[in-house]
Amino acid sequence: AQKVTQAQTEISVVEKEDVTLDCVYETRDTTYYLFWYKQPPSGELVFLIRRNSFDEQNEISGRYSWNFQKSTSSFNFTITASQVVDSAVYFCALMDSNYQLIWGAGTKLIIKP
Amino acid sequence: NAGVMQNPRHLVRRRGQEARLRCSPMKGHSHVYWYRQLPEEGLKFMVYLQKENIIDESGMPKERFSAEFPKEGPSILRIQQVVRGDSAAYFCASSPLGASAETQYFGPGTRLLVL
Repeated sequence: AQKVTQAQTEISVVEKEDVTLDCVYETRDTTYYLFWYKQPPSGELVFLIRRNSFDEQNEISGRYSWNFQKSTSSFNFTITASQVVDSAVYFCALMDSNYQLIWGAGTKLIIKP
Repeated sequence: NAGVMQNPRHLVRRRGQEARLRCSPMKGHSHVYWYRQLPEEGLKFMVYLQKENIIDESGMPKERFSAEFPKEGPSILRIQQVVRGDSAAYFCASSPLGASAETQYFGPGTRLLVL
């Protein structure tokens, strides 16, 4: 069965600390896509990144970086030098062969000033 | 280029009434998806539509829920005879091509509260 697990329900750090959000997935498909979305307190969903199963290169975008490890079925997200504006719920999601996005339960990130 | 638009943003209904949620996809997008987010949970897929076609409705409850995406106009998610358990945020997303290759972009959501 397809499944996404975000074991960290809530993380709280002080501004400027680095923080890593974990995501572990399960799928039988050989071709799949992984996503991260951000949901700030205002409630909208903001697309952050898409990664396909054949591309294991890590990606960096400013203070954000993603570590995709197929061997451990993980797609972790790191924020470097966190800022208060990073406070949000972050969702990891898996797109399977049926085009559905299967979502983790989300990690609530609190950045304290 | 406007993003995905949803209205209303907030909807209050009494038990037994009907709720109609509208979604206008991004310009050039012909695929629409509806997801439901219960409080403190991740999103759950409901239905995938193209213009005038339902492609996958495996996530839709069997009763009271229906969706359409007509040739003209927005996609509509309709919930008949709402119950308290229908209270949730309903998100619409759109993509330009077949979903397997494209990212889904989300609207701001409609928060439905059933009293």
